[in-house]
Amino acid sequence: DGGITQSPKYLFRKEGQNVTLSCEQNLNHDAMYWYRQDPGQGLRLIYYSQIVNDFQKGDIAEGYSVSREKKESFPLTVTSAQKNPTAFYLCASSLPNLSGQPQHFGDGTRLSIL
Amino acid sequence: AQSVSQHNHHVILSEAASLELGCNYSYGGTVNLFWYVQYPGQHLQLLLKYFSGDPLVKGIKGFEAEFIKSKFSFNLRKPSVQWSDTAEYFCAVKGAGSYQLTFGKGTKLSVIP
Repeated sequence: DGGITQSPKYLFRKEGQNVTLSCEQNLNHDAMYWYRQDPGQGLRLIYYSQIVNDFQKGDIAEGYSVSREKKESFPLTVTSAQKNPTAFYLCASSLPNLSGQPQHFGDGTRLSIL
Repeated sequence: AQSVSQHNHHVILSEAASLELGCNYSYGGTVNLFWYVQYPGQHLQLLLKYFSGDPLVKGIKGFEAEFIKSKFSFNLRKPSVQWSDTAEYFCAVKGAGSYQLTFGKGTKLSVIP
């Protein structure tokens, strides 16, 4: 079955440490996205990529970095500069987005600070 | 900039009651509108979407939504809810020419058997 795989499901970070969240999709989608979900805040866009080797900042990109070296993969690094990283992180993908294609979501990674 | 407002944070209904969840958006041009649902322990999934044409959109599991352009609204409705509809519901908007999808803060629906 085609879908989006996020790993790990749970992740713990020590203060001052960078961590990388994995997102892989086999839907052959060009566009991929990272969102952060906090209770009562809905989903907020961190980064998005419409095509390989290109990505743009979303609304809350500070303290995060991404890469898009392969169509299937869009890893997110939460750096030590992100002061409040505890959250639920969702990865999504879609067909070319300018036409309003709906996004498909992974199961998420819950990040906590030790 | 586009934005979305969902009026209710938490709605509690008895089974068979009718449901209407409010969603208003802010954007000056053509929009695409979506409702997503997140059942407990499951990933976010699409309920329905509006691109153009008939403003009354039907989705999965008996849900529908009506796009009222003059009111910048896209309210979600269901005539009779079931316990299995317990979930969090998110309204989202994408402005034409934008790559970004903006979500509302979500409405938790609890259906009491």
